Amino acid sequence: DAKTTQPPSMDCAEGRAANLPCNHSTISGNEYVYWYRQIHSQGPQYIIHGLKNNETNEMASLIITEDRKSSTLILPHATLRDTAVYYCIADASAGNNRKLIWGLGTSLAVNP
Amino acid sequence: DAGVIQSPRHEVTEMGQEVTLRCKPISGHNSLFWYRQTMMRGLELLIYFNNNVPIDDSGMPEDRFSAKMPNASFSTLKIQPSEPRDSAVYFCASSLGDRGQGETQYFGPGTRLLVL
Repeated sequence: DAKTTQPPSMDCAEGRAANLPCNHSTISGNEYVYWYRQIHSQGPQYIIHGLKNNETNEMASLIITEDRKSSTLILPHATLRDTAVYYCIADASAGNNRKLIWGLGTSLAVNP
Repeated sequence: DAGVIQSPRHEVTEMGQEVTLRCKPISGHNSLFWYRQTMMRGLELLIYFNNNVPIDDSGMPEDRFSAKMPNASFSTLKIQPSEPRDSAVYFCASSLGDRGQGETQYFGPGTRLLVL
């Protein structure tokens, strides 16, 4: 399964958009890109996922490049509560065929 | 639904003692995962079950670790004997497990284990 690479940390001003990049140059055609976040001392929380097309939900937008080798998670109007570690993983799982590799993620600090 | 339930939330034990962590997945979910998280290594998948059957335990550190899932609503992760290097946060997660490519996982609050 594809390994993902993320910057270890980022800062963002409150109210501005936070753009978190992820490289997954070895991703295969059937692997979805998933984003989760982990607020201090809690379990990871699902944010969004996509395969080829850009996706948007109430939490964030996901932009996937045409070659699928990288993606960007966008938090359009970051708040202090968005301060967390954000994980990008590639997941081709289905039943008995599952390999999930979680890196160290990006620690996002939203500053007032 | 109450979400994934883990117990205990905190555990402090002495080296050599047996530790049992418990997990109740979300009702209707067919896949269950055990993760370990440390500052140095991040989030590591230890083992996952599908329909109560262990599918991949390659992440289990060594023979001191064992996991069981006797039914669809309960799983245990046991460490015997425990060592200080086992100190970590252990998460359990579940997913529907039968929806094809990609799965959203739902995590429990974790068990914070400290082995002295």
